[in-house]
Amino acid sequence: ELKVEQNPLFLSMQEGKNYTIYCNYSTTSDRLYWYRQDPGKSLESLFVLLSNGAVKQEGRLMASLDTKARLSTLHITAAVHDLSATYFCAVENQGGKLIFGQGTELSVKP
Amino acid sequence: EPEVTQTPSHQVTQMGQEVILRCVPISNHLYFYWYRQILGQKVEFLVSFYNNEISEKSEIFDDQFSVERPDGSNFTLKIRSTKLEDSAMYFCASSESASSYEQYFGPGTRLTVT
Repeated sequence: ELKVEQNPLFLSMQEGKNYTIYCNYSTTSDRLYWYRQDPGKSLESLFVLLSNGAVKQEGRLMASLDTKARLSTLHITAAVHDLSATYFCAVENQGGKLIFGQGTELSVKP
Repeated sequence: EPEVTQTPSHQVTQMGQEVILRCVPISNHLYFYWYRQILGQKVEFLVSFYNNEISEKSEIFDDQFSVERPDGSNFTLKIRSTKLEDSAMYFCASSESASSYEQYFGPGTRLTVT
C-alpha cells in the first residue's frame, strides 16, 4: 500500500527566510503533484512532476522529484506572508488516484 | 478558464438521511474522482469513474456510497444513510486522462451530519 509522508507538519517561518518541505513515499511512482490549500478552500495545483529529476519553479517556490530516493522537495525562497497556507504533496498511484501526504501547515510571520 | 463546479457549497443533514452531492467536471475531461477531507486531516481518495463505471474505489467507499453520471455534464456522489463520521469536505476532481494528467479540483461541498 502506497504511503506518503510529509515533514514537517507545521512550519513557522519568518519573512525572508528559506525552507524546504519534504515528501517521502513508499512505493515506485514517477508522478507527483504539489497542491496549496488555503483555510476552508479547495486545492490549488502548484506543480506537476512527471519524471525523475524533474524540477519546476514558480515565483518563490521550487519543486523537485527524485524517484530513486522516492522523495520530492518543495523549497521556499525568501518567504512572504502570502505563502501562508497548507501544502500537500500527492503521489499518483495506478489508475490515476492520488494518495496525499498529511499536509504541511506553513505560517509566515513578519 | 474552465473549472470544476460543485453544489451545494454546504449541506447540513440529519443522521440517517440521504444526500446527493453534485459536480460538473470540466467539459472535455473523461476521468472523474471524489475525495474527502475530514476537518484538519489529509485528503483521502474515495472513488474514480470512467466510461460510466467505477474504475477504483477505496475502503471508505462502502455500500452506503454510490456515484453516477446521470447526463453528459453532471457527476454525483450519493450517501444513502449518512453517519456522523461522514461529516467532511467532499471534493470532486476531473482529468483528461487517468495517468500523468493533472486533476483539477472543485471548490468542495462541506457536509455536516447532525
